[in-house]
Amino acid sequence: GAGVSQTPSNKVTEKGKYVELRCDPISGHTALYWYRQSLGQGPEFLIYFQGTGAADDSGLPNDRFFAVRPEGSVSTLKIQRTERGDSAVYLCASSLTRSTDTQYFGPGTRLTVL
Amino acid sequence: EDQVTQSPEALRLQEGESSSLNCSYTVSGLRGLFWYRQDPGKGPEFLFTLYSAGEEKEKERLKATLTKKESFLHITAPKPEDSATYLCAVTMNSGGGADGLTFGKGTHLIIQP
Repeated sequence: GAGVSQTPSNKVTEKGKYVELRCDPISGHTALYWYRQSLGQGPEFLIYFQGTGAADDSGLPNDRFFAVRPEGSVSTLKIQRTERGDSAVYLCASSLTRSTDTQYFGPGTRLTVL
Repeated sequence: EDQVTQSPEALRLQEGESSSLNCSYTVSGLRGLFWYRQDPGKGPEFLFTLYSAGEEKEKERLKATLTKKESFLHITAPKPEDSATYLCAVTMNSGGGADGLTFGKGTHLIIQP
């Protein structure tokens, strides 16, 4: 079946601009996660959704970052006033139900802030 | 502070040369330990989940084991297609970010023909 999909695959923007990154989880998966991966590092947790609600947003670095999942399926990560330090690969993952279930990752969106 | 440390950072082996990758963790209340494989430009691909000390899982040339302080990923007679970065991650019982995976930096494995 279809895996986790993310769009766009690449996004280049200018410092100060607003960006939206989209994640489409595996059908039927109620848990969804966003991570950020910098070069040479492991992914870093940002936020976890259970259904429509953000169950844990403790990894969001500051209030420029925000994520929604209005219908409990597709999620959008929103970054306001982008900075060069936001450049990274943003990964989305989903799991069937609880957070202990295996997380399956999408291919990521590579964000470059000029 | 909760930590996941992987060693070595990089490993180059000849085809057929078996070895082990290490993942040590210091977390307050391990809930699960996960191994992923990541190829360049792609997202992590799930390999194994381990929940309790003494548990072992196998898949083809890979075998993962877990103790109370560390996990090993054993690679037997590797092939060039096993070349990738191998990531270890944990989930915890409580605390901020507990529901997300806490990753190590990974081991970059190269298998030469």
